[in-house]
Amino acid sequence: GAGVSQSPRYKVAKRGRDVALRCDSISGHVTLYWYRQTLGQGSEVLTYSQSDAQRDKSGRPSGRFSAERPERSVSTLKIQRTEQGDSAVYLCASPCGCGGNQPQHFGDGTRLSIL
Amino acid sequence: DQQVKQNSPSLSVQEGRISILNCDYTNSMFDYFLWYKKYPAEGPTFLISISSIKDKNEDGRFTVFLNKSAKHLSLHIVPSQPGDSAVYFCAALIQGAQKLVFGQGTRLTINP
Repeated sequence: GAGVSQSPRYKVAKRGRDVALRCDSISGHVTLYWYRQTLGQGSEVLTYSQSDAQRDKSGRPSGRFSAERPERSVSTLKIQRTEQGDSAVYLCASPCGCGGNQPQHFGDGTRLSIL
Repeated sequence: DQQVKQNSPSLSVQEGRISILNCDYTNSMFDYFLWYKKYPAEGPTFLISISSIKDKNEDGRFTVFLNKSAKHLSLHIVPSQPGDSAVYFCAALIQGAQKLVFGQGTRLTINP
């Protein structure tokens, strides 16, 4: 919604492989956020990307998650050496552009299944 | 450690009545709160937000109340409509820390 689209909608990967998920923000927001949502456990922030940084700061201590910004309007979440616990819905969000930088507009998510 | 809690997994309300969704938080550093609505297979849709310097924010049928001393916020929807049936998430943010924490969600069902 609100100009944020994610692809693919569904992805299946074998454990140990690297995966990349894409987020497109039509408005080209400076900051795009990535969240992981697991059933019954709410969502946790993973990382965020800003257009002035090609690689992002990861919120995960393991360092397997990173976000890159190949273009101003695109953020790619990369998950290295996937684990079964990575199976979840991954959401990308952009700020509202209403004066704050809070993540307020979300894409429909990518459902990732790790076999 | 669930910093944002929505203790009611589901709520049923009759059409036209008031829906009250509750949310509690534990981290006193949170200074901005948001409510989202989510339909199946879609991402969350922003509804309304409130800064910690306020205790009430109203937008049409939606009003959010914040009680900082109790670390509690609530979303009021009045009058409730069938299209309001969805899962509602509250979220809390530390501005500048770029970290948004969601509650587990409450499924609201509006009965005709």
